[in-house]
Amino acid sequence: DQQVKQNSPSLSVQEGRISILNCDYTNSMFDYFLWYKKYPAEGPTFLISISSIKDKNEDGRFTVFLNKSAKHLSLHIVPSQPGDSAVYFCAASAIGSNTGKLIFGQGTTLQVKP
Amino acid sequence: DSGVTQTPKHLITATGQRVTLRCSPRSGDLSVYWYQQSLDQGLQFLIHYYNGEERAKGNILERFSAQQFPDLHSELNLSSLELGDSALYFCASSVGGEDQPQHFGDGTRLSIL
Repeated sequence: DQQVKQNSPSLSVQEGRISILNCDYTNSMFDYFLWYKKYPAEGPTFLISISSIKDKNEDGRFTVFLNKSAKHLSLHIVPSQPGDSAVYFCAASAIGSNTGKLIFGQGTTLQVKP
Repeated sequence: DSGVTQTPKHLITATGQRVTLRCSPRSGDLSVYWYQQSLDQGLQFLIHYYNGEERAKGNILERFSAQQFPDLHSELNLSSLELGDSALYFCASSVGGEDQPQHFGDGTRLSIL
């Protein structure tokens, strides 16, 4: 049972345009969501997070949107740069569980073309 | 550089053997987490330690164990290794609050021959 799903295995965008990565979850207990970027041979790098009391969080070129009713979150990267080419993972946790356990999606590979 | 250090980067061993993976968390972080990434699976939570005490367990096999020492570094011990244990093992650390991001090391790649 995959509780966090990233249905698009890959995405290709032109440099300077917007990249939109999507993530769906099924567990209504999830209330903290994160996005990570991963380059080959490196660990996941934290990008941005959002708690369920918000519907938007911005950090520079990165914005995460949360739609709780649809159990959907998205990461917008504007403008996209070639260095953004990587695998992006969304992750979710239930703060009330007190486990710190993150549930990860399968990842979306983003390619930004110059 | 996340500030989380994992050693060794690569480990090659045989079935039935035992190995120890080491993790040094970011300075000031009290929580350490271990995750496993196999080829056909995403990142899977194994175990969480907070300030030396086990906080939560995931789908961690009985052949696997972990501990966090007084200096907050952590070790993951894998014994009676099987071919299916070949994977990337990641350590992450956080300040400790459940609503704080986890920061990951670059992982240890374990290959069982």
